[in-house]
Amino acid sequence: DVKVTQSSRYLVKRTGEKVFLECVQDMDHENMFWYRQDPGLGLRLIYFSYDVKMKEKGDIPEGYSVSREKKERFSLILESASTNQTSMYLCASSTPGTASYEQYFGPGTRLTVT
Amino acid sequence: AQSVSQHNHHVILSEAASLELGCNYSYGGTVNLFWYVQYPGQHLQLLLKYFSGDPLVKGIKGFEAEFIKSKFSFNLRKPSVQWSDTAEYFCASYNTNAGKSTFGDGTTLTVKP
Repeated sequence: DVKVTQSSRYLVKRTGEKVFLECVQDMDHENMFWYRQDPGLGLRLIYFSYDVKMKEKGDIPEGYSVSREKKERFSLILESASTNQTSMYLCASSTPGTASYEQYFGPGTRLTVT
Repeated sequence: AQSVSQHNHHVILSEAASLELGCNYSYGGTVNLFWYVQYPGQHLQLLLKYFSGDPLVKGIKGFEAEFIKSKFSFNLRKPSVQWSDTAEYFCASYNTNAGKSTFGDGTTLTVKP
């Protein structure tokens, strides 16, 4: 089974802090994604990556950056956390090796910025 | 821009009732379609998928969905729901050209025992 793990289930940070969210997958997937999930808004794509050191902006990249130094690890960075970044953050991975491109999700990190 | 719309935000059913959740997508090119489910306190997981072949696809736990290209729809169905189907359901499309997925806003299903 594919396993996607995220470094924290719950995180509380103060406004202005730099925040790192880590995601690791164990299936050698090429593609990795960061979403935020908010009630009534579904999942919105923040950034994604096709390969090591590659990154692409998603639909809502403002206020975020990412890093992919190793294939299995994809980090989301909030340079200066703000209260409107309070949300559930989901990491996912997929591989173009399957025709369907289904995604495998981590458990999520619920971030609260106070 | 690619979009996915789910018709119902919150559905409440009694056990044994039939379920149909609507989903429409906007992209006219090659698209892969999915339904994901998130049970309370659990990971988002794949329920079923369509990317080619028979437009009627069957997933886990008795769910099925029908891809109707002319209507840009991919509705989820189950003939008889159970209390354990209480969850949030997301429809999604994957645009193979853009290399990314678009999700609907989600439908919360509550099944009363």
